[in-house]
Amino acid sequence: RKEVEQDPGPFNVPEGATVAFNCTYSNSASQSFFWYRQDCRKEPKLLMSVYSSGNEDGRFTAQLNRASQYISLLIRDSKLSDSATYLCVVTPNTGGFKTIFGAGTRLFVKA
Amino acid sequence: GAGVSQSPSNKVTEKGKDVELRCDPISGHTALYWYRQSLGQGLEFLIYFQGNSAPDKSGLPSDRFSAERTGGSVSTLTIQRTQQEDSAVYLCASSLVPGVGYEQFFGPGTRLTVL
Repeated sequence: RKEVEQDPGPFNVPEGATVAFNCTYSNSASQSFFWYRQDCRKEPKLLMSVYSSGNEDGRFTAQLNRASQYISLLIRDSKLSDSATYLCVVTPNTGGFKTIFGAGTRLFVKA
Repeated sequence: GAGVSQSPSNKVTEKGKDVELRCDPISGHTALYWYRQSLGQGLEFLIYFQGNSAPDKSGLPSDRFSAERTGGSVSTLTIQRTQQEDSAVYLCASSLVPGVGYEQFFGPGTRLTVL
């Protein structure tokens, strides 16, 4: 089993749609969680951290479910500019700060 | 301000040759990470540095891969006797400190092609 798993998609949605991605992780003692965004042939950039209580940043909402070992990302009112690959990132508790990236979920938002 | 820089941006080499990839982190960032991303794949963790030491080298694919960091700044990833399966984009990232909750800032990557 991979340490971090994501549905690769692609998700094809119209502008204005709401779309949700899930990501599961295998290490129950994992410490920190993030969503990064990667545009085609570009480097990843932080989208948002994921906190235990859930957190929201504009149209984006991230949630963590420790009991079921998954994190989610909800995008409301999708824009064309949201088209990208969304990477789930986990720092497992292995005594250091190794960071594990999921393979990513591709999103295409169409007019 | 300057972000993370990497050089070269592209490298084409012949199978069996050695290559060196360089990463210049953001000034003051003590943590530095190396990843590899193959076409259409996610990022594969290779190694991270805390200062000049590498507490976790578990991601290095083989003993052909090595990395060092000097002066708590520039890092070099060396691949000896390159193989075609080493072809990928090699990404470097830095963060203020290694640890829970700290954002990693990525460089633009070095695209390595082994013929």
